[in-house]
Amino acid sequence: SQWGEENLQALSIQEGEDVTMNCSYKTYTTVVQWYRQKSGKGPAQLILIRSNEREKRSGRLRATLDTSSQSSSLSITGTLATDTAVYFCATDNYAQGLTFGLGTRVSVFP
Amino acid sequence: EAAVTQSPRNKVTVTGGNVTLSCRQTNSHNYMYWYRQDTGHGLRLIHYSYGAGNLQIGDVPDGYKATRTTQEDFFLLLELASPSQTSLYFCASSASTGRQNTLYFGAGTRLSVL
Repeated sequence: SQWGEENLQALSIQEGEDVTMNCSYKTYTTVVQWYRQKSGKGPAQLILIRSNEREKRSGRLRATLDTSSQSSSLSITGTLATDTAVYFCATDNYAQGLTFGLGTRVSVFP
Repeated sequence: EAAVTQSPRNKVTVTGGNVTLSCRQTNSHNYMYWYRQDTGHGLRLIHYSYGAGNLQIGDVPDGYKATRTTQEDFFLLLELASPSQTSLYFCASSASTGRQNTLYFGAGTRLSVL
């Protein structure tokens, strides 16, 4: 999982496989955002999930949020080479924008 | 779509040098942010602003100044650059703050302090 003092996670998979990445956060929140950062670009939001949603889907993406365990996950089904990126979860630091996890580097090979 | 433009994209300076990083957003967003990104630390907030003339301190402000001259323009200033400030810097904007607001990032400025 990403967050806190953990190192950047790295996953290597083949195109077509599914992948799931996890995020655990320290302070209580009711919203988690997931961002993707491709090489040479800034992060871009993929999906936002609220605690009353438990699960949210957007195309090939599926996010979950469990406030009791303070954790969230992002799954990508049928990965493509273009999914190669670093994926971050982010929660609010209310007075200071968003606080980002350390990220999960996903490399998808054809 | 939100547009945040950073300049320059790459900058090299020497220790003790004076550097200004620029950011412009064209989305009429109230909030703008400066983050730095480093391996092992992820994205860390330096300064942010909720409007022209306003400046708020983030998590890692030491050695940095910032100025918001207009709603569109936010600058990050390194007046005595040090090698520890070698990093990838991102500017972002959002309509408001709080957990449900989307941050729109620029493409980043890579700064090397020799």
